[in-house]
Amino acid sequence: QVQLVQSGAEVKKPGSSVKVSCKASGGTFSTFVISWVRQAPGQGLEWVGGVIPLFGTTYYAQKFQGRITTRTDESTSTAYMELSSLRPEDTAVYYCARVSGTWNYYFDYWGQGTLVTVSS
Amino acid sequence: EIVLTQSPGTLSLSPGERATLSCRASQSVGSSYLAWYQQKPGQAPRLLIYGASSRATGIPDRISGSGSGTDFTLTLSRLEPEDFGVYYCQHYFSSPYTFGQGTKLEIK
Repeated sequence: QVQLVQSGAEVKKPGSSVKVSCKASGGTFSTFVISWVRQAPGQGLEWVGGVIPLFGTTYYAQKFQGRITTRTDESTSTAYMELSSLRPEDTAVYYCARVSGTWNYYFDYWGQGTLVTVSS
Repeated sequence: EIVLTQSPGTLSLSPGERATLSCRASQSVGSSYLAWYQQKPGQAPRLLIYGASSRATGIPDRISGSGSGTDFTLTLSRLEPEDFGVYYCQHYFSSPYTFGQGTKLEIK
């Protein structure tokens, strides 16, 4: 059974950066595609971005472009998302999620979420 | 960008009743590039349906998905108390892979 365990809640100042980790177990991490979804308080789900294996590219939603970095470390089966130049509107729960497959970009396993609060 | 519009916003039904949730796309997402998720308060979303009509592992057969093109439906027959929560559709036809705004299912 695949499990994704994320790092704990963070409180950050506007303009700073945050790094969220997502450690996988129960499968072959090298075959995983991890993507990121966020949910602002009381709001719906928003795809942040991630690798699109079909095209071998990485997509980030426009509001994150230039200030987001995602990477994976196969040696530790961990994915990371780093978001910089934080704004109060970045306050949200950030989820990592496994993409089902190359042709099927839906999310079959999810992390428990990491609350990032941006406040002065 | 494909916009998914879900309706109704809120649905309030009693156990044993049937729930019908709609997801409409601003343009075609093909015959099967649609998934449904359930989210309960304080929890991560859970995959219910993929490929418009295929149930994910462990999802009971009283939950079903249908549709193609721009109109999709999630049906929960014989509602049970654990079915409360917010339901989201998501397309994966073309990037960006967007979500609908959600339908809240309340159990009376």
